[in-house]
Amino acid sequence: AQTVTQSQPEMSVQEAETVTLSCTYDTSESDYYLFWYKQPPSRQMILVIRQEAYKQQNATENRFSVNFQKAAKSFSLKISDSQLGDAAMYFCAYRSADTDKLIFGTGTRLQVFP
Amino acid sequence: EAQVTQNPRYLITVTGKKLTVTCSQNMNHEYMSWYRQDPGLGLRQIYYSMNVEVTDKGDVPEGYKVSRKEKRNFPLILESPSPNQTSLYFCASSFPGGSNEQYFGPGTRLTVT
Repeated sequence: AQTVTQSQPEMSVQEAETVTLSCTYDTSESDYYLFWYKQPPSRQMILVIRQEAYKQQNATENRFSVNFQKAAKSFSLKISDSQLGDAAMYFCAYRSADTDKLIFGTGTRLQVFP
Repeated sequence: EAQVTQNPRYLITVTGKKLTVTCSQNMNHEYMSWYRQDPGLGLRQIYYSMNVEVTDKGDVPEGYKVSRKEKRNFPLILESPSPNQTSLYFCASSFPGGSNEQYFGPGTRLTVT
């Protein structure tokens, strides 16, 4: 069975600085997808970024980028130029190419200080 | 507006009193799913549905039922709620296929006393 591990329960960053959230996963599959979701205090789940395992190039979305290391089964999220609105819980998630189920990590709470 | 709606958003109930949390999507998605979120555990799948009349258990199905009679609706039923079902519940939907984004509802905060 696949598992997703987020080893940092909490992180903090100063406004305008860069922060990296860690995520590792375990799978025997070769074809899968990885996601980062943001959950602000409103509780809404918002997709931040996705990565296809077959793509070597790391995904980027504006200030958000990932470092995808397939051999190491690592999928970290880098937030550049952090803003107060980035404060939220962040979840890493895995989705097999064969099923639609999302497998989530336990989350990292990010605080952003002015 | 494309969206997933859930009702109610908040619910406080007592042990054993049957309840239903509704979920509806307007994006013609085949796949729908229910998750529960608990502190320190992330989100875990309860049940999912690949299409009308096709449902299956997720990782934590005990104490829950679902039905999928229409493509747009996927209600979650707790026939005899217990305190350990106090949680935050999310409904999600998507087109099938791993790369497709799952759209989440706003969540339902359930407290069972």
